[in-house]
Amino acid sequence: GIQVEQSPPDLILQEGANSTLRCNFSDSVNNLQWFHQNPWGQLINLFYIPSGTKQNGRLSATTVATERYSLLYISSSQTTDSGVYFCAVRNTGTASKLTFGTGTRLQVTL
Amino acid sequence: GAGVSQSPSNKVTEKGKDVELRCDPISGHTALYWYRQSLGQGLEFLIYFQGNSAPDKSGLPSDRFSAERTGGSVSTLTIQRTQQEDSAVYLCASSPENSYNEQFFGPGTRLTVL
Repeated sequence: GIQVEQSPPDLILQEGANSTLRCNFSDSVNNLQWFHQNPWGQLINLFYIPSGTKQNGRLSATTVATERYSLLYISSSQTTDSGVYFCAVRNTGTASKLTFGTGTRLQVTL
Repeated sequence: GAGVSQSPSNKVTEKGKDVELRCDPISGHTALYWYRQSLGQGLEFLIYFQGNSAPDKSGLPSDRFSAERTGGSVSTLTIQRTQQEDSAVYLCASSPENSYNEQFFGPGTRLTVL
């Protein structure tokens, strides 16, 4: 099946810093979503971005489907950004499921 | 509007007992998914329902796991004869129309098997 790799696995930032999280996938996709899992375990939708670029406040994402990667940018990080960020993809032409990466654990400190 | 809801939020059971977990999808969403999140396996797909089509059960880990969706809305995931390795957070998601669309997740049910 499709493989999804996220990097870095762990990231510690000081408040106000910027960061880039990467998601690589091994096959073509027709759905790619970024999620933030908060400390209570809730998966919060950040972006639905099978291709192109989107921005929402301090967050933006870019997916280059032909090169099989997606990037999530966090600018001016805040302590509330802490948590685990997951990339999840749906492999084109196969089952409906999302395949998740192993996540990037982000800690933002004061 | 209301998001995906799940109940119970926490469930502690003894090994060998059966458990039922419930999911209420977002109103109007025709697709419903179950996933589980465990320490060793990350987030993994279990089962998918779309309208009146036969469910995709390819992710169910054993025949102790089953799920149904009544009236195209509420879904119940049943685990029979629970084992300690079943301990995990069980997450439900729904999406509109078909699986090409964005999936939205509920808060999950944390299952602990003693």
